[in-house]
Amino acid sequence: AQSVTQLGSHVSVSEGALVLLRCNYSSSVPPYLFWYVQYPNQGLQLLLKYTSAATLVKGINGFEAEFKKSETSFHLTKPSAHMSDAAEYFCAVSVDTGFQKLVFGTGTRLLVSP
Amino acid sequence: DTAVSQTPKYLVTQMGNDKSIKCEQNLGHDTMYWYKQDSKKFLKIMFSYNNKELIINETVPNRFSPKSPDKAHLNLHINSLELGDSAVYFCASSQDLISGNTIYFGEGSWLTVV
Repeated sequence: AQSVTQLGSHVSVSEGALVLLRCNYSSSVPPYLFWYVQYPNQGLQLLLKYTSAATLVKGINGFEAEFKKSETSFHLTKPSAHMSDAAEYFCAVSVDTGFQKLVFGTGTRLLVSP
Repeated sequence: DTAVSQTPKYLVTQMGNDKSIKCEQNLGHDTMYWYKQDSKKFLKIMFSYNNKELIINETVPNRFSPKSPDKAHLNLHINSLELGDSAVYFCASSQDLISGNTIYFGEGSWLTVV
């Protein structure tokens, strides 16, 4: 069964520092992978998705992620953190059941300090 | 205009009551979903509908009954509420059932059962 694992329930960075949020997937077929962001008391917003068109995917708000098949990873990065990036980030995989179904990781809380 | 809107945003109710959450999408999508986010922020699919037809029922107790009067609406009715039903419920939609399509989420409905 397809799944994703997010390493680190909390990640703390200083403003201006590199953001790296880790996601590893498990899938026997080429996966569709997503990163969503959830700000406090709000819904989920799509940051970016991988659908096999390109291994380096650029998203909104300066985020990007690289699909690495050899490492079964899809880590999310941003060169320079802003205070406004503080949120919960979810990696998800689209499960190949024949129907669209997202399976989410457990989420990583990004904390940004001044 | 909000793409996926759900009401109410906050709901506090007593055990044993019956409540409904309404959802509407104005994206012209064929597929709609309900996801549940528990107190540990874990997100899991409950149901998906395509053109008013139930596609996925993720072994949800039958106290939960989704209803889709048309493809733009997917309501969730919950009977005999239990403490464990306290969670955030997200409505979502996608263009169709094809894996890899972006799923757009609503702002969530915070349900507290006391």
